Amino acid sequence: SQKIEQNSEALNIQEGKTATLTCNYTNYSPAYLQWYRQDPGRGPVFLLLIRENEKEKRKERLKVTFDTTLKQSLFHITASQPADSATYLCALGGWASYDKVIFGPGTSLSVIP
Amino acid sequence: NAGVTQTPKFRVLKTGQSMTLLCAQDMNHEYMYWYRQDPGMGLRLIHYSVGEGTTAKGEVPDGYNVSRLKKQNFLLGLESAAPSQTSVYFCASTSPASGTDTQYFGPGTRLTVL
Repeated sequence: SQKIEQNSEALNIQEGKTATLTCNYTNYSPAYLQWYRQDPGRGPVFLLLIRENEKEKRKERLKVTFDTTLKQSLFHITASQPADSATYLCALGGWASYDKVIFGPGTSLSVIP
Repeated sequence: NAGVTQTPKFRVLKTGQSMTLLCAQDMNHEYMYWYRQDPGMGLRLIHYSVGEGTTAKGEVPDGYNVSRLKKQNFLLGLESAAPSQTSVYFCASTSPASGTDTQYFGPGTRLTVL
């Protein structure tokens, strides 16, 4: 069955540094990959989508890469701020519109002032 | 535009009791989903619906039932609650025509079964 793994431990970084989160998957060939942000007590919020034929996507301080050979996506937050502290989820989507999205367990990021 | 709303926000049940969680969206989305989120396990799909009057099982459907009588509403029912159903439940919706497959989530319902 499909499996998604994210950084197994919480990530703590200093303000201003670049945070890099990892999403690895097995037994799946997704059409796209998404990243969501989740704050405590709230539902996930969509951040970025990258399709399987795209290598990199950027949005403001966010950058996502997608390597279908390695079956891996990297999510970067540059010039990190304490407000970036949250849990980040990666999600894989299928090729058909009715394919279900599969979510990873999430990585907790803390940006220390 | 409220997006996705969920009722109630919190609930405590005793084993064997029943309840219904309500999800409503005002974005005219065709697809709706119910997930549960447990520590260390991420979001797991319970049931989903691709249109009014249609529902399908997800990854963990046992012990739950759903109904989608109106396009904007998706109900999740627990007929006989068990402690293993203690979790945070999220509803989400999306439109396949959006091009981004973005799921819009509600604020969640925290359910405790004693």
